[in-house]
Amino acid sequence: DILMTQSPSSLSASVGDRVAIACRASESISNYLNWYQQKPGKVPKLLIYATSSLQNGVPSRFSGGGSGTDFTLTIINLQPEDFATYYCQQSYSTPITFGQGTRLEIK
Amino acid sequence: QLQLHESGPGLVKPSETLSLTCTVSGGSISSSGYFWGWIRQPPGQGLEWIGNIFYSGTTYYNPSLKSRVTISMDMSKNQFSLELNFVTAADTAIYYCARRGSRTNLLVVPAIDYWGQGTLVTVSS
Repeated sequence: DILMTQSPSSLSASVGDRVAIACRASESISNYLNWYQQKPGKVPKLLIYATSSLQNGVPSRFSGGGSGTDFTLTIINLQPEDFATYYCQQSYSTPITFGQGTRLEIK
Repeated sequence: QLQLHESGPGLVKPSETLSLTCTVSGGSISSSGYFWGWIRQPPGQGLEWIGNIFYSGTTYYNPSLKSRVTISMDMSKNQFSLELNFVTAADTAIYYCARRGSRTNLLVVPAIDYWGQGTLVTVSS
């Protein structure tokens, strides 16, 4: 199985800040890396697919980058609605695996 | 607009079988290029992929659950189902059904782009 490791596990930031969440794969996954946002009690929502492609309707303050084993989700100009838990997920091979999540909290 | 909706018992006894059905509306599960599958999330924890079935009927399971899982589809009803045998308290979770595009089909989004609302299944006597 490909192990996905996110860092940090939690993060405090203020509205207007820029934050970056890292995701590392235990082996190369090319660019088959996706990011999801989940708010408490809600269904996960796809933000970014294939490392850097923004899903329809997702604000452009979200961006993704990386390749191979190291990837990053960046959010600029944080908005109140961005405080949530973020998960990376690889779709390179089965079993599909997720990172453990990064909880983004308001400072 | 594609919609997925899980249905099934919210309480299952230990050692019994968890059975859930996902009904898809607004689209067909026979559409090429898509996997239809199940993901679970224990309360307060992260996401675990259980398995999926390709539009062609081929199934893929998480090795950690493979001996206990069966995913099937009924195209006449536009539904797919999950069976998890010999459940324990560790199987208590919110179960989501979801659609994932195949990364080998350039016409689809190669990610989980549609989710059901999730259903909490508790394993308890």
